[in-house]
Amino acid sequence: EPEVTQTPSHQVTQMGQEVILRCVPISNHLYFYWYRQILGQKVEFLVSFYNNEISEKSEIFDDQFSVERPDGSNFTLKIRSTKLEDSAMYFCAFGREKYEQYFGPGTRLTVT
Amino acid sequence: QKEVEQDPGPLSVPEGAIVSLNCTYSNSAFQYFMWYRQYSRKGPELLMYTYSSGNKEDGRFTAQVDKSSKYISLFIRDSQPSDSATYLCAMSEGGTYKYIFGTGTRLKVLA
Repeated sequence: EPEVTQTPSHQVTQMGQEVILRCVPISNHLYFYWYRQILGQKVEFLVSFYNNEISEKSEIFDDQFSVERPDGSNFTLKIRSTKLEDSAMYFCAFGREKYEQYFGPGTRLTVT
Repeated sequence: QKEVEQDPGPLSVPEGAIVSLNCTYSNSAFQYFMWYRQYSRKGPELLMYTYSSGNKEDGRFTAQVDKSSKYISLFIRDSQPSDSATYLCAMSEGGTYKYIFGTGTRLKVLA
């Protein structure tokens, strides 16, 4: 299985602060996703990215969230003003085909 | 009614048993069906995917989709203690990139 890397592995931030989560893509994988998983709950779709633009986003992905590709390769998920309920594991995933998603190890975000 | 439902378990079986994991769903437009394995505090690992109805086999794993009943299954033959994990189903409609996950079934295979 292809390897996806995410940094940091754990981020602690105060409510209202901005956080940036990073994901290193797998080369030749065209589809990119961000998901979150609140502790003990299901994996939730946030946003998908294809051909350098957002292809779809969920109702969770409001104006506080943004996804970018700042250097043309790595992907970032930015949360502008974190809330306590943003505490979760955040996973990025890549795929060569629509039905294929290889997940990263995740970033654990703790908002205090 | 939830869009995707999964029995949370835990499901405990002896080593070597055949395991049956299931999901039901309500959206008849779902066409892509995936099964993931997730170990504690790790990312989901793709096990199998199927498109539309039918069966698919990969080693000890068999995935089945019954669209008429809105029911999908994952069978694990000759289960091993290393199979102990949470198993997630996920599905999406044909024209969308949005995948809906089940809550997961926790499986324990006892040595």
